[in-house]
Amino acid sequence: DAKTTQPPSMDCAEGRAANLPCNHSTISGNEYVYWYRQIHSQGPQYIIHGLKNNETNEMASLIITEDRKSSTLILPHATLRDTAVYYCIVTRVEYGNKLVFGAGTILRVKS
Amino acid sequence: NAGVTQTPKFRVLKTGQSMTLLCAQDMNHEYMYWYRQDPGMGLRLIHYSVGEGTTAKGEVPDGYNVSRLKKQNFLLGLESAAPSQTSVYFCASNPIPTLRVGAAFFGQGTRLTVV
Repeated sequence: DAKTTQPPSMDCAEGRAANLPCNHSTISGNEYVYWYRQIHSQGPQYIIHGLKNNETNEMASLIITEDRKSSTLILPHATLRDTAVYYCIVTRVEYGNKLVFGAGTILRVKS
Repeated sequence: NAGVTQTPKFRVLKTGQSMTLLCAQDMNHEYMYWYRQDPGMGLRLIHYSVGEGTTAKGEVPDGYNVSRLKKQNFLLGLESAAPSQTSVYFCASNPIPTLRVGAAFFGQGTRLTVV
């Protein structure tokens, strides 16, 4: 599975958009980009995933570059409850879709 | 609809004792996983299963065994617990993913301390 690189931490003002970057320069054509987050010590929570097109759901938007070597997770209006560790994961379906977690990005939303 | 349920939520073991962690999912998912998370670190995959009766090793399988006799249950066993296995254990399940489906659902974790 492709390896991802994320900044260790980011700050965001409450009500502003949070843009979390992820580099996955070795991604293969059949690998998906997934984003999860972990609030405090709870189990990780799925946010969004995509293959090559941009995706949007009720939680966030995922922007994948045309060459698929990087992506950005956008939380349009961050709240204090969005403070969490955000994980960018790249995985292939035929490997059982196993999710290999890195260190992630600690997002701190401040009032 | 309970999602993914882990039993127990907390446990303290003595070195050398054995125990089994149970993960149950009611979403008819094909894939199931066991992860461990040590303080300040990301999750590491212990074992996983792509269907009933199948299991495979993850990143850190040593000291653990698993079984998937029924589709809805995935058991993680520690035969002889060691202090290095003190961790928070997370179970997850996942349907066969497509572009529109593919979210893994995680349990709330089992906090295991080995003394």
